[in-house]
Amino acid sequence: QKEVEQNSGPLSVPEGAIASLNCTYSDRVSQSFFWYRQYSGKSPELIMSIYSNGDKEDGRFTAQLNKASQYVSLLIRDSQPSDSATYLCAVKINIGGTSYGKLTFGQGTILTVHP
Amino acid sequence: EPEVTQTPSHQVTQMGQEVILRCVPISNHLYFYWYRQILGQKVEFLVSFYNNEISEKSEIFDDQFSVERPDGSNFTLKIRSTKLEDSAMYFCASKGRLRSAGGREQFFGPGTRLTVL
Repeated sequence: QKEVEQNSGPLSVPEGAIASLNCTYSDRVSQSFFWYRQYSGKSPELIMSIYSNGDKEDGRFTAQLNKASQYVSLLIRDSQPSDSATYLCAVKINIGGTSYGKLTFGQGTILTVHP
Repeated sequence: EPEVTQTPSHQVTQMGQEVILRCVPISNHLYFYWYRQILGQKVEFLVSFYNNEISEKSEIFDDQFSVERPDGSNFTLKIRSTKLEDSAMYFCASKGRLRSAGGREQFFGPGTRLTVL
């Protein structure tokens, strides 16, 4: 079973719409959850982190975490063409004790925002 | 804003040659990481480094790989005898003190594209 799963997309939304990106993870003791944005040929750029159940908002971005369902999502409001990128879900999983921060990534969801 | 830097941006090498990829983490960070991303695939963890020693490593990080923090600023990844399948983007990341603001967040450098011929 894959540890972190994302729908690879592509997800296409019109400019101004809400883009909804989803991620599920398999390890119940996962502690920390991150969304990174990756433009083609570039490195992952951290856009959101979330550690407890519920919603966390930062500007146009909202991360949602439901540990019971092992589900984390990212909403992008008022999507812009510049938001077109691959969005990576990353999870810090504790296996067998202390984790020094190893992140396990999903395969990413390609988002296209068209004018 | 502080950032992670990496050199070179692109490294081309012949199979069997040694390469050293260099990283300068964010200055007050304590945890350092190497990840790689083969073209079209997911980002994969290689190794984490804390307090001058390896704290975790993946199955990918075999005897051909080593890491070092030779001074107070640089963090290097060495591949002793490169193989064709080592061709990938290699990302360095760093993280601050756990209890500091943003202490659980890892920040990535721009990457080094390694091409093994």
